[in-house]
This record gives sequence, C-alpha cells and structure tokens, in this order.
Amino acid sequence: NAGVMQNPRHLVRRRGQEARLRCSPMKGHSHVYWYRQLPEEGLKFMVYLQKENIIDESGMPKERFSAEFPKEGPSILRIQQVVRGDSAAYFCASSPPNSYYGYTFGSGTRLTVV
Amino acid sequence: AQTVTQSQPEMSVQEAETVTLSCTYDTSESNYYLFWYKQPPSRQMILVIRQEAYKQQNATENRFSVNFQKAAKSFSLKISDSQLGDTAMYFCAFMKHEGNTPLVFGKGTRLSVIA
Repeated sequence: NAGVMQNPRHLVRRRGQEARLRCSPMKGHSHVYWYRQLPEEGLKFMVYLQKENIIDESGMPKERFSAEFPKEGPSILRIQQVVRGDSAAYFCASSPPNSYYGYTFGSGTRLTVV
Repeated sequence: AQTVTQSQPEMSVQEAETVTLSCTYDTSESNYYLFWYKQPPSRQMILVIRQEAYKQQNATENRFSVNFQKAAKSFSLKISDSQLGDTAMYFCAFMKHEGNTPLVFGKGTRLSVIA
C-alpha cells in the first residue's frame, strides 16, 4: 500500500502560469482533502472531495483555484494565473468513508512562484 | 467555527527528558476528536495520537500521552524520554464528531531535542 501519493514534490512556476498538483489517495480511500501550509503556519483547509463531487470548498479562494476528483485518476488541484502569494506547501490527505481516525497525508507539493 | 491555539511557537528539550506541548481549542460541540500530528523536516504529516472527547481516559501511545481537560478545552501532549528523532513541528488538530469533516489545525510548535 503506497500511501497517499502527491506529485510533483516541488513545482516552480512563473507568475501568470498555471499550476497543477496531483494526489492519488490510499487504496480504498474515497475521500480527499486539500490543505495549504504557508511558511511557519499550520495547515489551512481548502477543499473536500469525494469521487466526482465537491463536498465542501469553504476554504478555497473564490478565484483562480479549482479542484476535481474524477471517477478515474488522481485528484487535481489547479491554480490558474499564479501569483507570488500562492507560494506554499500544498498537502493532500485521504480517508475511507465514515472516518473518525484522522486522515493519511501525502508528503506535499511545494509550489514556488517566481 | 472551531479554533485551535498553540501558544508555544518553539520549545527545546534535552534528550531523555520529558516535555509537554500545550494546545487549547474553542468549540460549541459536545462531541469531537482531537489529534496531535508530527511534521519532521521531510514534511510528511504523521499522526501521533488521537483522543475521543467522550472518553475521559487520556490516550497513550508508547512515549506519547495526552492530558485532556474537556471543561478547560485543553489538550496537551507529553513526550517522555525524548529522542533526537522527535525533533519536528507538532500540530494540534480538531475534528467534529460527524467524521469526514475537515481537520482544524493550530499553528504548531517547533520542538528541538538536544543531545
């Protein structure tokens, strides 16, 4: 069981480009959560998805950010027209249904906008 | 909305000694879950310990234990016999009882274990 896989591990984008972050949940997990960690800060919730559905996007910025979790393939967090303030570590976590045991996290993608 | 506060940005402890990390939270929920996560320099978030609010008994996992004070909304982590590998950021987190709800994290405490 490979755990939660995120790629790429590091991503550098110029201002105005698009960033695509991928997350493959653990086998058997159908729920995915995306978090953002700014330097010296805790993790901030962005969005919660199940297969083909967005359940809670209350933490997602209204513009430029979108997320999907298709029937087949990984979950994708997309950031359009990146700005320097988007530089952060983005973490994905997954869980099975009805989980009360916390989530399994990936190792994160560090996005640097230059 | 729930909030989690970790008032100690940084702490240090001598190897083999005991250290306690503080966490307080605010919620109107009566039932919920609390967690401590460890984030070493590798950046991986690792679950250390979990506490169910309706259980009075404090959770323990080997050298890690918690002091859960529900009335005071306090959830501290005690690390006994500290080891160099315990050096990491430690995050306290809250989750509503419904399950599959977002974890709410504190800002973290950076722990350094000194040889």
